[in-house]
Amino acid sequence: DIQMTQSPSTLSASVGDRVTITCRASQSIGSWLAWYQQKVGKAPKLLIYKASSLESGVPSRFSGSGSGTEFTLTISSLQPDDFATYYCQQYNSYSTFGQGTKVEIK
Amino acid sequence: EVQLVESGGGLIQPGGSLRLSCAASGFTVSSNYMSWVRQASGKGLEWVSVIYSGGNTYYADSVKGRFTISRDNSKNTLYLQMNSLRAGDTAVYYCARIDSSGWFLPYWGQGTLVTVSS
Repeated sequence: DIQMTQSPSTLSASVGDRVTITCRASQSIGSWLAWYQQKVGKAPKLLIYKASSLESGVPSRFSGSGSGTEFTLTISSLQPDDFATYYCQQYNSYSTFGQGTKVEIK
Repeated sequence: EVQLVESGGGLIQPGGSLRLSCAASGFTVSSNYMSWVRQASGKGLEWVSVIYSGGNTYYADSVKGRFTISRDNSKNTLYLQMNSLRAGDTAVYYCARIDSSGWFLPYWGQGTLVTVSS
């Protein structure tokens, strides 16, 4: 099975900060990676697919990059609505999720 | 508009059975790959099962032999039959539609809570 490791597990940031979350795969997954945002008590929301493609309706402050085994999700200017937990997901070989990164208020 | 509405969760004793339902609207379940994903309280997301449009199925090792995914085309509804339930199966269960271009999930239901406890 492909393992996905996110870092950091928790990130403290302020409104307006540039935020970067990293996701590493245990083997190459090409560009078959998605990112989700989840708020407490809600279902995950797709942000990015195929490593860098922005899902329709998602603000352009969210961006994704990477290929192979290392990927990043960047929020260019953190907004109050962005405090949430973020998950990466590989879908190169079946699918697995990362353990999540909680973005909290500093 | 695509909508997914889960039901059927609840409190069940260890060893018991439960069937979850996911009623879909705005698209045809049988023409899509559909999945169940679960999340234990305070934990991450875990794939549980997938049913392909052709009817083939996939299960996580943790539920293989105990859970069965199926669909009713006439009701446009996805199911998850869960048998021999364990405390470790306690989670919110989400149904989700898999995108046609890859196993990512643009559409999710609101989730239904399954609690396995005596």
